[in-house]
Amino acid sequence: AQSVSQHNHHVILSEAASLELGCNYSYGGTVNLFWYVQYPGQHLQLLLKYFSGDPLVKGIKGFEAEFIKSKFSFNLRKPSVQWSDTAEYFCAVLSGTYKYIFGTGTRLKVLA
Amino acid sequence: GAGVSQSPSNKVTEKGKDVELRCDPISGHTALYWYRQSLGQGLEFLIYFQGNSAPDKSGLPSDRFSAERTGGSVSTLTIQRTQQEDSAVYLCASSSDTSYGYTFGSGTRLTVV
Repeated sequence: AQSVSQHNHHVILSEAASLELGCNYSYGGTVNLFWYVQYPGQHLQLLLKYFSGDPLVKGIKGFEAEFIKSKFSFNLRKPSVQWSDTAEYFCAVLSGTYKYIFGTGTRLKVLA
Repeated sequence: GAGVSQSPSNKVTEKGKDVELRCDPISGHTALYWYRQSLGQGLEFLIYFQGNSAPDKSGLPSDRFSAERTGGSVSTLTIQRTQQEDSAVYLCASSSDTSYGYTFGSGTRLTVV
């Protein structure tokens, strides 16, 4: 069965620190990969997505993610986090044509 | 509307009661999903509607759960004889093209006491 693993459940960083959140998936077919973000009190929003082509994907607010097929990974990165990046981050894979499989999420807290 | 609208935003119910959760998707979005978000569990797929096709109900956890989508627009998720383990945030999402991601609503936080 397809699955998505996010190994970091809670991450605490100081402002300006670099961020990398891990995401590994288990899916044998062509993958469409996503990162969603949920800011406190807000709904889930799409951060970035990968379909094909350049494995380094850039999203909103300075986030990027790299698809490494050999490692079944799609880690999220940001060179310098801000207090406003405090949120919960979810990795997801499109399973088949319409169903998304989500990871359990990573709660990021950025200290001012 | 401009986004996916869910109501109510919060619902507290007594164990054994039935509840109905409503989702109003973005106009023109043919795909509609229900997910459940439990603490530490991530997002759990419940059901998927696409146009007039038969829905994919494979994620519904028990026969106490049902959902319908009337006229290809508004959807209602019904939970009968609620149990404490049903407490969660129920999220609705819609999409015009599933490969490009969903637009989520703000969810309904259900608490069964």
